[in-house]
Amino acid sequence: AQTVTQSQPEMSVQEAETVTLSCTYDTSENNYYLFWYKQPPSRQMILVIRQEAYKQQNATENRFSVNFQKAAKSFSLKISDSQLGDTAMYFCAFMNRNAGNMLTFGGGTRLMVKP
Amino acid sequence: NAGVTQTPKFQVLKTGQSMTLQCAQDMNHNSMYWYRQDPGMGLRLIYYSASEGTTDKGEVPNGYNVSRLNKREFSLRLESAAPSQTSVYFCASTNYGLAGEDTQYFGPGTRLTVL
Repeated sequence: AQTVTQSQPEMSVQEAETVTLSCTYDTSENNYYLFWYKQPPSRQMILVIRQEAYKQQNATENRFSVNFQKAAKSFSLKISDSQLGDTAMYFCAFMNRNAGNMLTFGGGTRLMVKP
Repeated sequence: NAGVTQTPKFQVLKTGQSMTLQCAQDMNHNSMYWYRQDPGMGLRLIYYSASEGTTDKGEVPNGYNVSRLNKREFSLRLESAAPSQTSVYFCASTNYGLAGEDTQYFGPGTRLTVL
């Protein structure tokens, strides 16, 4: 079984600044992906970014990028030029590709972007 | 293209009542999933169906049953609802086994309250 830990229950950042959300995971699997999902007050789960574990290059999607440290089992999310619309819960998730692509989620980080 | 749809959006049950949550996807995905999200927590997997005709237990299957009706539809049944099943339920789908296509996409959720 795997576990996902997000050690920051809440964070805040000023609009236009940069913030980094932390995530660590524990697994014995070698075939996995990692994800960050955003959940705004509407409750919809929205994919932010994904990282294939076999890739060394860190994934980027516009203002969102990750720092994937496989040996340390760390997967942090950096949000640049923060916008008010980034205010949401952010969940880190581990996908076990050897077991039906099941997702294991962390407990979430509530991010508030302040004007 | 509606993606993943769930019905109903809200439901209130009394202890001991039964109900079925419906989920459908129009993305031709082979795998479907049911998760629950309790207040202040990440999502936890209840059951999943890696392909039509198969179902498997996830992390928290007790008190639930599922049916993969066809490739598009995956239902979750509560036979005798309990207050501990008060939660938000999410359905998701993906193409398991197809690299690059196995991101999970989520429905809007069903908020269930059991009194």
